Amino acid sequence: GAGVSQTPSNKVTEKGKYVELRCDPISGHTALYWYRQSLGQGPEFLIYFQGTGAADDSGLPNDRFFAVRPEGSVSTLKIQRTERGDSAVYLCASSSGPGSFTEAFFGQGTRLTVV
Amino acid sequence: AQTVTQSQPEMSVQEAETVTLSCTYDTSESDYYLFWYKQPPSRQMILVIRQEAYKQQNATENRFSVNFQKAAKSFSLKISDSQLGDAAMYFCAYRSAASGSRLTFGEGTQLTVNP
Repeated sequence: GAGVSQTPSNKVTEKGKYVELRCDPISGHTALYWYRQSLGQGPEFLIYFQGTGAADDSGLPNDRFFAVRPEGSVSTLKIQRTERGDSAVYLCASSSGPGSFTEAFFGQGTRLTVV
Repeated sequence: AQTVTQSQPEMSVQEAETVTLSCTYDTSESDYYLFWYKQPPSRQMILVIRQEAYKQQNATENRFSVNFQKAAKSFSLKISDSQLGDAAMYFCAYRSAASGSRLTFGEGTQLTVNP
């Protein structure tokens, strides 16, 4: 695709439910990042993939959060037993490589609301 | 750990005037990159300008320029000839020179452009 695509755009779920958020990176981009943006805050890093493997998952807040990228393209962020504090915009970004000056392109995010 | 601070939660400017957004950061590293991102209501983060820490010359991109003061750990963004379309949330971000490293964002500055 032309840009990073995230689905769904908005998701409302009940406390305790399981949710999956999807990210389709730009074709050919090997690096993929997930960030979480709480209301009125800057994005916070969650996890970084280089290819299929999670190169850095130190930002995941607890073991309820998990992400996969099985074929090195699409990634899914999974949240178990959702809590109201998980409500935020979840942003995905991709870049053509791991180089630090390589531009990261962001999707429009998924707004998750836990009620 | 690196931190990024934006001390101006909100700024406003008259159309066609110039505005400067402030950013300071804290790091013990000598090699890193700095970025300004724009986030309109669509939520998609858009790269405005970037600076390599080893370069003394300040980066410029059309109406956007930075004032990079490495010793003071300051990285301000100047927007000249402000346009209505510049209204958005602006985030300053830091990235280590280490391969694949994450972006660390500030809290953001909401810019309003008055006609």
